[in-house]
Amino acid sequence: DAKTTQPTSMDCAEGRAANLPCNHSTISGNEYVYWYRQIHSQGPQYIIHGLKNNETNEMASLIITEDRKSSTLILPHATLRDTAVYYCIVRVLNSGGSNYKLTFGKGTLLTVNP
Amino acid sequence: GAVVSQHPSWVICKSGTSVKIECRSLDFQATTMFWYRQFPKQSLMLMATSNEGSKATYEQGVEKDKFLINHASLTLSTLTVTSAHPEDSSFYICSARWWERGTNEQFFGPGTRLTVL
Repeated sequence: DAKTTQPTSMDCAEGRAANLPCNHSTISGNEYVYWYRQIHSQGPQYIIHGLKNNETNEMASLIITEDRKSSTLILPHATLRDTAVYYCIVRVLNSGGSNYKLTFGKGTLLTVNP
Repeated sequence: GAVVSQHPSWVICKSGTSVKIECRSLDFQATTMFWYRQFPKQSLMLMATSNEGSKATYEQGVEKDKFLINHASLTLSTLTVTSAHPEDSSFYICSARWWERGTNEQFFGPGTRLTVL
């Protein structure tokens, strides 16, 4: 299973773009990169996922390098409510193939400051 | 978006008692549900994977006789912490996989805070 490496914490000013990096140098060709976030004392919230192309939705953009060994989650205009732990996860498949499980690392604590 | 609910949101119980936590997918069918546990200032740890109508698959180190999981329908999974002890105090989170959507997204419940006295 590919592992991910993220900075422990980051700060961002309100209204500015937050760029959260993630390294996944051992990712396999059929593994996706997922991003979730967890606001304090809540369940994780899905943000975005991608395979090799850049992706954008109403919450964020995901930039994946051409070699797929790293990615960056971009929150274009961070707000105070974006303060959370952000998890970069590479999807794994168990031996059955029909199920999968998300394994969470320590994530990055993003603090958006006023 | 898909909604997953958990009940109760928090529970306090005495040591030695059993506690049941419910996880429901409100607007989709979840053939697979997952149970996680999170201790303070730590990440989520997967406890078990449950498929509707079959036995749950537990992660290494998780006692299946202590954490009973039942996934009797496509919208409901329950986790029962039997003979709870203070070290079982934690934040328990379930998630459900929306298979039919085809994107393999996993939706999480709001969590249940268990405190064992």
